This record gives sequence, C-alpha cells and structure tokens, in this order.
Amino acid sequence: DAKTTQPPSMDCAEGRAANLPCNHSTISGNEYVYWYRQIHSQGPQYIIHGLKNNETNEMASLIITEDRKSSTLILPHATLRDTAVYYCIPLELNNQGGKLIFGQGTELSVKP
Amino acid sequence: EAGVTQSPTHLIKTRGQQATLRCSPISGHTSVYWYQQALGLGLQFLLWYDEGEERNRGNFPPRFSGRQFPNYSSELNVNALELEDSALYLCASSSDLGTGYTFGSGTRLTVV
Repeated sequence: DAKTTQPPSMDCAEGRAANLPCNHSTISGNEYVYWYRQIHSQGPQYIIHGLKNNETNEMASLIITEDRKSSTLILPHATLRDTAVYYCIPLELNNQGGKLIFGQGTELSVKP
Repeated sequence: EAGVTQSPTHLIKTRGQQATLRCSPISGHTSVYWYQQALGLGLQFLLWYDEGEERNRGNFPPRFSGRQFPNYSSELNVNALELEDSALYLCASSSDLGTGYTFGSGTRLTVV
C-alpha cells in the first residue's frame, strides 16, 4: 500500500478556500486517490476520489499532479461545519483488498 | 435510503467478558468493513466481509472475530475483553468502491 504524507493540522478562514495537500509519491498506477473526512466522533464521510484527472463534485475538487505523486483537496468556500480530520488514501480497486487504510490525516480548523 | 446502522450505540462490559456488535449495511451493499478507533488514535482496519466470507483481516488477535449473514448484515465479536479494547467501532459498507464506503455512526465500547 502506498504511504501518504499530510500536514498534521491547518487553519482556514470561514468563506475562504481550504487547500489540503497530500503526498503519495509511492502510489502505483492502479491506485486511486480517495479523500475522506471525519468530524469529531462520527463515522468518516466519503468526499471524492480520482485516478489521473482532476475531479469535482458538490463537496470538493481534487487536483492530482501529472506524475500522480501528490494531490490537493480543495474546499472552495469553507464553513465551520467543514472542521474535521481529512484523510488522503490511495486504494487499488480489485478483489484482493478493498480496505481503506487510514493514516493520521490533516486536522482542518475553520475559524470565523 | 437508510444508511449504515450499528447497534448498540454504547456498550459497557467488564474485562474478560464478550462483546457483540452489529451492523446493517445499506440495502444492496454486499461488503462490510469493520474498523477500530481507540481514543486519540487513528482508524485501524479490523475485518472485511464480502458475500458472507471473510476476505481480509487487520493486525488484530483471533479474539476479534465476526461473521456476515445471508442478508449481508454483520456481527463483530470480541472475546476476553481487555481494557485497551475500549474504542469506537465503526462499520462501513460498499457495493461499488467507485462510490466510496459509507460508514455508520459507530458503537462506543467501554471495558471496565
């Protein structure tokens, strides 16, 4: 499984864009990049995932570098409810193991 | 659509006892995953069930076991409880990893 490096914590002002980086330099060609977040004491919530191309949904945008060694999750207009721990997780979709391996993540604090 | 449901919400057991935790996946989801999150620590993968069979397990002792029923619901059993088993136990389900896992709200197990 590919290893990831994320900053342990970040602050963001409410209404501004939150850009959360993730380094996954050992990612394999078959591994997608998944992003989840966990609000205090709740179950993790799926945000977005991608393989090569940039992706956008109603929650966030995902920018993956051309060499796929890093990615950035963008919350375009952060709100106080976006305060959570954000996890970047490489995952290969096959029958041998669909398990998500959570690292330490980035604790994002959105401040008024 | 009902989400992933877990029961009980809270469980208090004495050291040495057995605990049984239950999970009902989203309708149509055939895979169930169990995770342990001890206080202040990250999410640790426990078990993965798919189509009634155990597909993978994390680095946990054999006293952590479970099963998946024909209706795809699942039980996690923890025998010979130890104080360090106190944690939030999360269940997730998926049918197609392309849409990510959906997590339940968890069972808070306290061993005294």
